[in-house]
Amino acid sequence: DGGITQSPKYLFRKEGQNVTLSCEQNLNHDAMYWYRQDPGQGLRLIYYSQIVNDFQKGDIAEGYSVSREKKESFPLTVTSAQKNPTAFYLCASSIIYRGIYQPQHFGDGTRLSIL
Amino acid sequence: QKEVEQNSGPLSVPEGAIASLNCTYSDRVSQSFFWYRQYSGKSPELIMSIYSNGDKEDGRFTAQLNKASQYVSLLIRDSQPSDSATYLCAVGGAGGTSYGKLTFGQGTILTVHP
Repeated sequence: DGGITQSPKYLFRKEGQNVTLSCEQNLNHDAMYWYRQDPGQGLRLIYYSQIVNDFQKGDIAEGYSVSREKKESFPLTVTSAQKNPTAFYLCASSIIYRGIYQPQHFGDGTRLSIL
Repeated sequence: QKEVEQNSGPLSVPEGAIASLNCTYSDRVSQSFFWYRQYSGKSPELIMSIYSNGDKEDGRFTAQLNKASQYVSLLIRDSQPSDSATYLCAVGGAGGTSYGKLTFGQGTILTVHP
């Protein structure tokens, strides 16, 4: 079955440590996204990529980094510069048809906590 | 000013009633509009998408779009306890700095009580 796989499901970060969240999709979607969700809040965009080897900052990119070396993969690194990383992280993908955005499909998410 | 704003909840309706969820957006040239349902602790799942003015029906769900008023709504008929969740409105940017982005509202919590 096609879908988006995020791993790990739970992740703990120590002070001063960088951690990387994995996101893989086999939907052949061009665009991929990373969101952060805090309790009781909506989704905030961290980074997005519409094509391999290209990505753009979202609304809250500080303290995060991404890469898009393959169409299927869009890993997110939470760096030590992100002082409040505890949140639910969601990866999504979509196609873009004639400039009109099609629905985004989400992975199951990664819950990140600090030790 | 929030770019996508949903009516503040929580919204509580009795089983069998119609639940009405509302959303306004600020980017006048937006072209894509989506409603997602998110159960507690889970990721969002798409329930409706709408691109043109008017109504779009899918089973018990009806999405309504009015671009002139920059307003999109979701009606859930014959509400069931299993509809209890957070509903997220999302708007697709059309150009400029909004190109490639979906902007989400803060969500409305719906509770359907037996």
